[in-house]
Amino acid sequence: GQQVMQIPQYQHVQEGEDFTTYCNSSTTLSNIQWYKQRPGGHPVFLIQLVKSGEVKKQKRLTFQFGEAKKNSSLHITATQTTDVGTYFCAGPTGGFKTIFGAGTRLFVKA
Amino acid sequence: DTGVSQDPRHKITKRGQNVTFRCDPISEHNRLYWYRQTLGQGPEFLTYFQNEAQLEKSRLLSDRFSAERPKGSFSTLEIQRTEQGDSAMYLCASSVGGSGANVLTFGAGSRLTVL
Repeated sequence: GQQVMQIPQYQHVQEGEDFTTYCNSSTTLSNIQWYKQRPGGHPVFLIQLVKSGEVKKQKRLTFQFGEAKKNSSLHITATQTTDVGTYFCAGPTGGFKTIFGAGTRLFVKA
Repeated sequence: DTGVSQDPRHKITKRGQNVTFRCDPISEHNRLYWYRQTLGQGPEFLTYFQNEAQLEKSRLLSDRFSAERPKGSFSTLEIQRTEQGDSAMYLCASSVGGSGANVLTFGAGSRLTVL
């Protein structure tokens, strides 16, 4: 079945360093979403990308959707302790469900 | 509060007991989803409702699991004869239709511990 893979599984950074997580789908996606889950919290929607090659920015966060619409990335510039959490990518299947990657857990050391 | 509400937030039960979780979605959202999340994993899809119709169920949803959404408003997820492997966070999410259909708003979840 369709799968969404994320790497790395976790990453430790020093505050101020950059961070990137990558998402790869086994099939072409019509769109892709990114969510953030703080420790002890629930996933919160960050952004949706729809167009091939699309790049969107939210302050220090840059999201990119690949040309083939099978991969995506999230880059955080100059991480802060408030960035701590797990970042998930998610995409729709041919049916109604949205499947999630296993997430990349970000640890930020002050 | 206009978000997605879930109740109870925590449930501890003994193996073999039945448990029921409730989800109240955002009122304007006609789509409702149940997911299960275990430690270190992403949410796993369980089932989906559009209004009151249950349109898709995961293979993960064994016969012990049943979900309803009467009148297309709140939803319940019942687990019968619970097993220790059912211990997880059960997340409810809702969304609108159209271009926002894949943008999920999650509730805080119901954490189940089966002893």
